[in-house]
Amino acid sequence: DVKVTQSSRYLVKRTGEKVFLECVQDMDHENMFWYRQDPGLGLRLIYFSYDVKMKEKGDIPEGYSVSREKKERFSLILESASTNQTSMYLCASSDMTSYGYTFGSGTRLTVV
Amino acid sequence: AQRVTQPEKLLSVFKGAPVELKCNYSYSGSPELFWYVQYSRQRLQLLLRHISRESIKGFTADLNKGETSFHLKKPFAQEEDSAMYYCALLGGAQKLVFGQGTRLTINP
Repeated sequence: DVKVTQSSRYLVKRTGEKVFLECVQDMDHENMFWYRQDPGLGLRLIYFSYDVKMKEKGDIPEGYSVSREKKERFSLILESASTNQTSMYLCASSDMTSYGYTFGSGTRLTVV
Repeated sequence: AQRVTQPEKLLSVFKGAPVELKCNYSYSGSPELFWYVQYSRQRLQLLLRHISRESIKGFTADLNKGETSFHLKKPFAQEEDSAMYYCALLGGAQKLVFGQGTRLTINP
């Protein structure tokens, strides 16, 4: 019954590495989002996408990029990982009608 | 500016006591507000939305436009209500803006 799947639950990467976080949804949703979740800060929007090959910056896009080559897949890319990018990353999708988001289970990334 | 504020990072109540999680928002348009919940080791999930005016797991939330608030309430807390709760506002461009979250602990 899983509808939004994030490929990794835990990741440990070294400073300077290029990191890919993958997210796939099977609900044919147009909208997809990447958030990071930090204690005391809540969820902050990194990037979002309304359609294939479209992307928009969220509130904290610095150090990140995204790719959406297919409707069901939305990838978050850390060009050169840094320790301040250690966080829980949440992917979500929504359709154009209900606006209710469906979240993935998250990827906890540690950059050492 | 679109902003959601949850003033309490932590809230602890006894089982059977009433619960109120506070949420205030700032938005120039007509807001759509939500409460999301994250139980331990589970994914974030929608609890309720103001437009449906429903009660989920005994929780209700009323939108007060005069006070720009959307507080979450439950008359009698249960231990299984312990979780992280986020208030969220659907702002421009269909983006959800989240508050900082409140960790609710129900003591036996």
